[in-house]
Amino acid sequence: GDSVTQMEGPVTLSEEAFLTINCTYTATGYPSLFWYVQYPGEGLQLLLKATKADDKGSNKGFEATYRKETTSFHLEKGSVQVSDSAVYFCALMAEGSSNTGKLIFGQGTTLQVKP
Amino acid sequence: GAVVSQHPSRVICKSGTSVKIECRSLDFQATTMFWYRQFPKKSLMLMATSNEGSKATYEQGVEKDKFLINHASLTLSTLTVTSAHPEDSSFYICSAPRIAEQFFGPGTRLTVL
Repeated sequence: GDSVTQMEGPVTLSEEAFLTINCTYTATGYPSLFWYVQYPGEGLQLLLKATKADDKGSNKGFEATYRKETTSFHLEKGSVQVSDSAVYFCALMAEGSSNTGKLIFGQGTTLQVKP
Repeated sequence: GAVVSQHPSRVICKSGTSVKIECRSLDFQATTMFWYRQFPKKSLMLMATSNEGSKATYEQGVEKDKFLINHASLTLSTLTVTSAHPEDSSFYICSAPRIAEQFFGPGTRLTVL
């Protein structure tokens, strides 16, 4: 079945460091890919998404490119801030599932940014 | 953006009792809502799809009689954990779709003693 695999955390960085959180997926066809962020005490929020191969999603300085050839959707940010400390989830929605909205999540990666 | 609330945010109950968790879409209507369970350091696992006006659709391995779902209106879905046991302790999260995006509630922490 479809699945998402993220790099294990926690990831601890100093402020202004470069961030990469790896995400790979297994799915047939062309799923839509998402990154969600969960700040402490809050619900998941959509950070960015990409719906077709080679699309780049971006938001708040974060970027991720849909790579069909490597089945990856790695999250990057050039300069992290303390306020970016949160749990990040990679997720996919199988092709043809937009009407159901069913998401399959990776295990989440905790990011801690130190001043 | 759209807002989804959950109540309660945390609940502690004795083994054998039932607990009801509410999920509300505050500023939009949702004919479908989703219930997830999140274990510590684990991903969110979809438990079931709540459908307004019809039966919920449960994922494989989820006990229908254990986790009762009722989608009473276009803005409210409830999850009742019946005869709760310590292994049911977890973080339960709901979501509702709006304009091709999922909006998540803040979650409910259930602890069964």
